[in-house]
Formats: sequence, structure tokens, C-alpha cells
Amino acid sequence: QITLKESGPTLVKPTQTLTLTCFFSGFSLSTSKVGVAWIRQPPGKAPEWLALIYWNDDKRYRPSLKSRLTITMDTFKNKVVLTMTNMDPVDTATYFCAHRASGGNSPYDYWGQGMLVTVSS
Amino acid sequence: DIQMTQSPSSLSASVGDRVTITCRASQDISKHLNWYQQKPGQAPRLLIYAASSLHSGVPSRFSGSGYGTDFILTISSLQPEDFAIYYCQESYSRLVTFGQGTKLDIK
Repeated sequence: QITLKESGPTLVKPTQTLTLTCFFSGFSLSTSKVGVAWIRQPPGKAPEWLALIYWNDDKRYRPSLKSRLTITMDTFKNKVVLTMTNMDPVDTATYFCAHRASGGNSPYDYWGQGMLVTVSS
Repeated sequence: DIQMTQSPSSLSASVGDRVTITCRASQDISKHLNWYQQKPGQAPRLLIYAASSLHSGVPSRFSGSGYGTDFILTISSLQPEDFAIYYCQESYSRLVTFGQGTKLDIK
């Protein structure tokens, strides 16, 4: 059974750096073609893909946010970490991590419950 | 960037109704279209992948069709638990863009 769960602060101040951790079980990031992504959803809006890391440490970022994002993985501890610098109130959103089974064009088939991050002074 | 446009934006229907939601891509995305259901306070749940394949555990009243730029999600007989927001998502590009969503509520 695949499960994912996000962890991190629920409130950050403008200009601060956000660090979110995705703890997962039921799969391994050592398995070929497996990936874990971060996706966010501002209140009342559609989800927006942010970043993705694959089993081989191949990393992808949303071009408009690339300078602010870093995604890393710890295969042995079954976690993926996302950092986002210079947070702004427009970054207020629910942040999800999600599993991708087989790379390429495959869907995000399992998601964490998400966590609301509010950016406010 | 690929743009995904869903119609309608909202829809009212009754239990037992047959419902269709349309998603149009701004360019050819082959069969790389997925459908998700989201209920308040929950994560999106994968329903259909690769345009027409049913994800594990999803009831057979959900089905998908289409290819290229035009896709359809069909719910054959609405159940009370189906009232939610539905999103299409392309997985053709690296950006995996979502549609704006279709809110399905009770008439």
C-alpha cells in the first residue's frame, strides 16, 4: 500500500525559505522509473505542478519557479524534501507530494493528504 | 505551455444522471490525459489515466475517451459520493498542466 505524507511549517513569513518533507512508504525511490513530485493548489484554484525527482536523481522544475526551488531525496530514509526560497503571500497554498510509477507520461497515482502553508507577516 | 480547458466550469445533476465533462488541450497530446476527482479538504484522486484506462479501485461507472486534443469523462449513473470537483491533467509535457476544474453539485 502506497502512502505519502507531507510535513513542514504551516506558517512562514514573506522572504523566508520554506522546507517541506514528504515521507513515503509502500514503494522505493531506488526502483527504476519511480518519481515523487510536489504539486501545490492555491485556495479555490487548480493544482499546479512544481517539481519532480526520479529514482536516478534526475530533477525537473517548473520553469517560472526554477530559481527558487530545490528538490532532493533520501532513498534510505524514504523521504523527499522541497525547499522554496523567498516566499511571498501568493505562495499560500496546499502543498501535496505525489507518486509517479513509471516516468514518462504516467499519471500521479497516489497523493499525500496535503498541507496548507500560509505566507503572512 | 499547453493549456487545458474544461467545460462546463460547473454542473448541477441528480443522482442517477449520466454526466459528461469535456477537456480540450491547446495542442495534440496523444492519449496522455488523466482525470482526477477532488472532494473538499482532500487530495486529488486519480480516476482515469491515458485517456481511457480505469485506475485501480475506481468504479466502472467512470469512463474516459478521446485522443489528440479532445477528451471526455463520463459518469454513467451519478452516485451521492460523486459530487466533487473534477480536473483533467495532461502528462504529455514536463509541466503536466491541469484544467481549471469542473464542479459537479447536486441539483
